[in-house]
Amino acid sequence: KAGVTQTPRYLIKTRGQQVTLSCSPISGHRSVSWYQQTPGQGLQFLFEYFSETQRNKGNFPGRFSGRQFSNSRSEMNVSTLELGDSALYLCASSLGTGPMGYTFGSGTRLTVV
Amino acid sequence: AQTVTQSQPEMSVQEAETVTLSCTYDTSESDYYLFWYKQPPSRQMILVIRQEAYKQQNATENRFSVNFQKAAKSFSLKISDSQLGDAAMYFCAYRRNTGNQFYFGTGTSLTVIP
Repeated sequence: KAGVTQTPRYLIKTRGQQVTLSCSPISGHRSVSWYQQTPGQGLQFLFEYFSETQRNKGNFPGRFSGRQFSNSRSEMNVSTLELGDSALYLCASSLGTGPMGYTFGSGTRLTVV
Repeated sequence: AQTVTQSQPEMSVQEAETVTLSCTYDTSESDYYLFWYKQPPSRQMILVIRQEAYKQQNATENRFSVNFQKAAKSFSLKISDSQLGDAAMYFCAYRRNTGNQFYFGTGTSLTVIP
């Protein structure tokens, strides 16, 4: 079966712009989580969605937002981009909200110039 | 707050040899899970092995095994008969049973020398 699909794979944006990243979970999975990966800060939790509801949010500014659609696909949006937002953004999906069974995508590499 | 520490930024191992990656964590919880994920250049995080904290027996998956010391809050990964395909970044991760997120360590870059 298809894995977690993240699009686009690479993205270059200019400071001040906004960006939307997409994550299509494995068929049947209802939970989607997002993580930011940078060399300096490592992997940091952004948010988790389950059945279109945000269950938890990490310690990121309000410029970072997300949503989940009825088909479980999720998008995250970053407004007013800063150079420090350059990172690999990973999403992971699972059937439910328990600790097991998470499958990660290959991420979107965002570069802010 | 939960923290996960990987004290070895880089490790190397000869092909067919054994290597152990270290991980310690800090938590006041009693019900949690520990994981080792592998991130090759393809960037996808791949689950290597997991350990439920309530289980005393160490988890094993083929050539991969863990040494879980709950009292010491230590969770090391042993890779036996290392293969070239094992070369990757390895991340140790913690998750509470009722939590909503993984807490990751900073990773260990493993090089396998032919």
